[in-house]
Amino acid sequence: LAKTTQPISMDSYEGQEVNITCSHNNIATNDYITWYQQFPSQGPRFIIQGYKTKVTNEVASLFIPADRKSSTLSLPRVSLSDTAVYYCLVVLYSGAGSYQLTFGKGTKLSVIP
Amino acid sequence: DSGVTQTPKHLITATGQRVTLRCSPRSGDLSVYWYQQSLDQGLQFLIQYYNGEERAKGNILERFSAQQFPDLHSELNLSSLELGDSALYFCASSEGTQGRPQFFGPGTRLTVL
Repeated sequence: LAKTTQPISMDSYEGQEVNITCSHNNIATNDYITWYQQFPSQGPRFIIQGYKTKVTNEVASLFIPADRKSSTLSLPRVSLSDTAVYYCLVVLYSGAGSYQLTFGKGTKLSVIP
Repeated sequence: DSGVTQTPKHLITATGQRVTLRCSPRSGDLSVYWYQQSLDQGLQFLIQYYNGEERAKGNILERFSAQQFPDLHSELNLSSLELGDSALYFCASSEGTQGRPQFFGPGTRLTVL
């Protein structure tokens, strides 16, 4: 069964670097891996997207190994406002030629002062 | 503000009833996606439309249907509602058919009593 796996929760102190990994078996070969941030009672917010190797923008980096079976979101020097749930979104092969947009279950990041 | 609007913000109805949720995508976006978020199932992809045509189908029940109109707004129709349909329903939009970041609306919270 195609699925994604993320840690349920993580704690970090302010100013630390945080790495959140999503494992995704049966990922489609031609689709991007995308990460979102969600605050309570709000819609998910786009953070970063990549296809392979490393992508960096003004808020995060995304590391994707050559086999693309996992991806790691890296948040440099987190602050209290980074406390949120982080999701990976991938396209998984679900058998019989069909593909499915699939969100991970989310990782609740708590940043401690 | 993502530029995606959803109405209504809240909806309370009874079992067996039918409701319609509305979404207006960001200006210029041709794709609209619908997701359901519940505590036990997480974020589940329901359906995608691109420029008026159904593009991809996820875990959408037969009691649910959607459409995208010529002005690109979309509606999600939920009928024969059950208690288990209570959830947050998000709409997202993107520029293309796949591989582009999705931008989420604020959601509609549906409560079925």
